Amino acid sequence: DIVMTQSPLSLPVTPGEPASISCRSSQSLLHSKGYNCLDWYLQKPGQPPQLLIYLGSNRASGVPDRFSGSGSGTDFTLKISRVEAEDAGVYYCMEGLQARTFGQGTKVEIK
Amino acid sequence: QITLKESGPTLVKPTQTLTLTCTFSGFSLNSDGVAVGWIRQPPGKALEWLALIYWDDDIYYSPSLTNRLTITKDTSRNQVVLTMTNMNPVDTATYYCSRGSRIGAYNTPYYFPYWGQGTLVTISS
Repeated sequence: DIVMTQSPLSLPVTPGEPASISCRSSQSLLHSKGYNCLDWYLQKPGQPPQLLIYLGSNRASGVPDRFSGSGSGTDFTLKISRVEAEDAGVYYCMEGLQARTFGQGTKVEIK
Repeated sequence: QITLKESGPTLVKPTQTLTLTCTFSGFSLNSDGVAVGWIRQPPGKALEWLALIYWDDDIYYSPSLTNRLTITKDTSRNQVVLTMTNMNPVDTATYYCSRGSRIGAYNTPYYFPYWGQGTLVTISS
């Protein structure tokens, strides 16, 4: 089974400052067709997860361009260029290669 | 506009079988490259994929729960039904359904941008 490990698990951020979350997988997430099968979701309290980034670096429809995803193989990063108050919530990475395992989640709090 | 809505009992007794229905609109599960899945989230915990059914009737189950899960689709009603047997208090969770799309041609990955609001199911006697 693929294990997904996120860090940090808690991230206090100041509005206007950048933020970064790391996600590591225990196996390569490289698909046979060359895609990196890693997605990022944001879950706000009382809401379902919303897809931010799919296949490593593709922003989902309607996602602000301050969000970006990068990485390949086993190491991936979600970056927020300038955090806004509405970005608070729990961020999850998820591997889409096998069982669609999620990471533990990173709670982003706005200072 | 694509929407999904989960429905089912809010309270289930231990050992009973849970049946959840995902009713969707705005797409057909007969369309090439479409899938609908079920995901759950215990209170305060992380998300867990349970099952997935594809447009071509292919099915995936979580390896840890495969013996307890059945997923079916009714394309005429635009519904996907998940049954989970032998429910236990640790199965208390919000259950979500989600619609996925294949990124490209056959044998390319799926991504899941559409989610229902979820339904909280409590397992208690």
